[in-house]
Amino acid sequence: AQSVTQPDIHITVSEGASLELRCNYSYGATPYLFWYVQSPGQGLQLLLKYFSGDTLVQGIKGFEAEFKRSQSSFNLRKPSVHWSDAAEYFCAVAGNQGGKLIFGQGTELSVKP
Amino acid sequence: NADVMQNPRHLVRRRGQEARLRCSPMKGHSHVYWYRQLPEEGLKFMVYLQKENIIDESGMPKERFSAEFPKEGPSILRIQQVVRGDSAAYFCASSPGKEQPQHFGDGTRLSIL
Repeated sequence: AQSVTQPDIHITVSEGASLELRCNYSYGATPYLFWYVQSPGQGLQLLLKYFSGDTLVQGIKGFEAEFKRSQSSFNLRKPSVHWSDAAEYFCAVAGNQGGKLIFGQGTELSVKP
Repeated sequence: NADVMQNPRHLVRRRGQEARLRCSPMKGHSHVYWYRQLPEEGLKFMVYLQKENIIDESGMPKERFSAEFPKEGPSILRIQQVVRGDSAAYFCASSPGKEQPQHFGDGTRLSIL
């Protein structure tokens, strides 16, 4: 069965520092992978996606993620965090024919001034 | 995320009443997904519909919950005889195809008194 693990429930970083949010997945083949961000009281906004091809994908708001098949990981990175990045981040996986998303538990990001 | 319209944004019901949640997908999107976010939990898939057809309902509770996506009009998630445990945020997402990224609405927050 497909599953997604986000090991870090809560991360705090200083503004301007770099960020890496971890995501590990379990799936028999290469899945479709996504990162979404959710601000309080809002829906989810798609940051980036990986379907195939280049394993380093660029997204919106300066985020990027790298697919590592050998580690079953799809970690999200940003070189310099802004206070407005404080939110909850969800990694998700879908089968390689699309359809329903399986989400991780989420990582809440706090940004210190 | 206003392009996927969910209403109402907040819904209060007493135990035993019915709750109807509506979702209008983005223009051109014929695939609709419903997810539920319980307090302190991540998002869980409920049901996937494509115009008039239920494609995957593997996440739907067996009783009291139903969903439809008629030829005309929004998708409806219906919860009969609500109980306290139904209190959650319910999110709708839409996509133009099964293999395309899903775009989320801002959700309906359901509270059961």
